[in-house]
Amino acid sequence: EDQVTQSPEALRLQEGESSSLNCSYTVSGLRGLFWYRQDPGKGPEFLFTLYSAGEEKEKERLKATLTKKESFLHITAPKPEDSATYLCAVQAYFGNEKLTFGTGTRLTIIP
Amino acid sequence: EAGVVQSPRYKIIEKKQPVAFWCNPISGHNTLYWYLQNLGQGPELLIRYENEEAVDDSQLPKDRFSAERLKGVDSTLKIQPAELGDSAVYLCASSLGGSGAAGQYNEQFFGPGTRLTVL
Repeated sequence: EDQVTQSPEALRLQEGESSSLNCSYTVSGLRGLFWYRQDPGKGPEFLFTLYSAGEEKEKERLKATLTKKESFLHITAPKPEDSATYLCAVQAYFGNEKLTFGTGTRLTIIP
Repeated sequence: EAGVVQSPRYKIIEKKQPVAFWCNPISGHNTLYWYLQNLGQGPELLIRYENEEAVDDSQLPKDRFSAERLKGVDSTLKIQPAELGDSAVYLCASSLGGSGAAGQYNEQFFGPGTRLTVL
């Protein structure tokens, strides 16, 4: 069974303090790894998809990287508006397109 | 471009009552998903449609849940009768492509969800 573990569960950072969120996964043939941002009371907002080990994608202050066992979401010089829950999900080649999500990392950026 | 639209945003019902949720996907998106999200958890897939066909409903509790996607556009998810444990957020998502899609065709975009409270 596909599994996704995210750490830490919660992270508080000062504005401008860079850090990384971790997503460890086990999947029977990775087709894609997805990162979403979710604000309270809203649906997940798509950020990135990574398909192969070594791949990196960037968007503003966020950079996602992928290895064969885990993915990192690096946040550089975060701002208070980056506060949200960040969800990681994997999609397997033989999983009927299903995304298997982790429980997320709740990120708080303190001004 | 309009995103995924869901209604209602909130619903409070008593147990054993029926409830229905509606979703209109992004225009042109052939694949539609219904997910359930419990508090503090990630979304879990209930059912996936490609056009009007339910291609994966293995996680849908069929004794009380049903769904339809007539004409391959909008979709309705129904619970009858609702139980206390059904309290959760019901999310709808859509993507351009179907099985085996790659790149942007494989990206799933979510609606705001319907928060259901069963009393």
